[in-house]
Amino acid sequence: ETGVTQSPTHLIKTRGQQVTLRCSSQSGHNTVSWYQQALGQGPQFIFQYYREEENGRGNFPPRFSGLQFPNYSSELNVNALELDDSALYLCASSLGGLAGLGEQFFGPGTRLTVL
Amino acid sequence: DAKTTQPTSMDCAEGRAANLPCNHSTISGNEYVYWYRQIHSQGPQYIIHGLKNNETNEMASLIITEDRKSSTLILPHATLRDTAVYYCIVRLPTGNQFYFGTGTSLTVIP
Repeated sequence: ETGVTQSPTHLIKTRGQQVTLRCSSQSGHNTVSWYQQALGQGPQFIFQYYREEENGRGNFPPRFSGLQFPNYSSELNVNALELDDSALYLCASSLGGLAGLGEQFFGPGTRLTVL
Repeated sequence: DAKTTQPTSMDCAEGRAANLPCNHSTISGNEYVYWYRQIHSQGPQYIIHGLKNNETNEMASLIITEDRKSSTLILPHATLRDTAVYYCIVRLPTGNQFYFGTGTSLTVIP
């Protein structure tokens, strides 16, 4: 089975721009969660997608949006980038529903720098 | 969501057991306790989880107190590769959302 992959690995943007990050979930997993991890902090939950529908959202503004595709891969979009958006963005896949009591499998992350 | 409290940092001698505590005094009856670790700049790695009973796998043991207000992750024979930030997480009863705290930075000393 293939693990969780994310692209790109690193990204540099300027304030006000828009960015799209991508995640391919582990084979057989139908749930993708996105996290933001600022330097020296624990990951902060952004939102989760289960079978192409948003299934929970953390304390992030609407300019953070997402999408999940029929193959369960996912995108995270951030509009109007701010300097504080600089962080490691992590994607995690898992099995949702009653089967979802196990672990989430994390990808290596995308390092976003906003200048 | 139940909050967790962990010490900021700990040291452990190589080959000795590392005992990482976590307080989750507001945990509800159907919330699970999960442990993850994160080696510098990598994605978090699952270690173990449990509800009420103690659990053991090839990586670690999880001891949950009878009142479920605290737990301890035990790495039985710490190696240098166990140096990482360890997160104790209480899982919400609905959905799969995980709320991480700041974790415990464990340093294994040769």
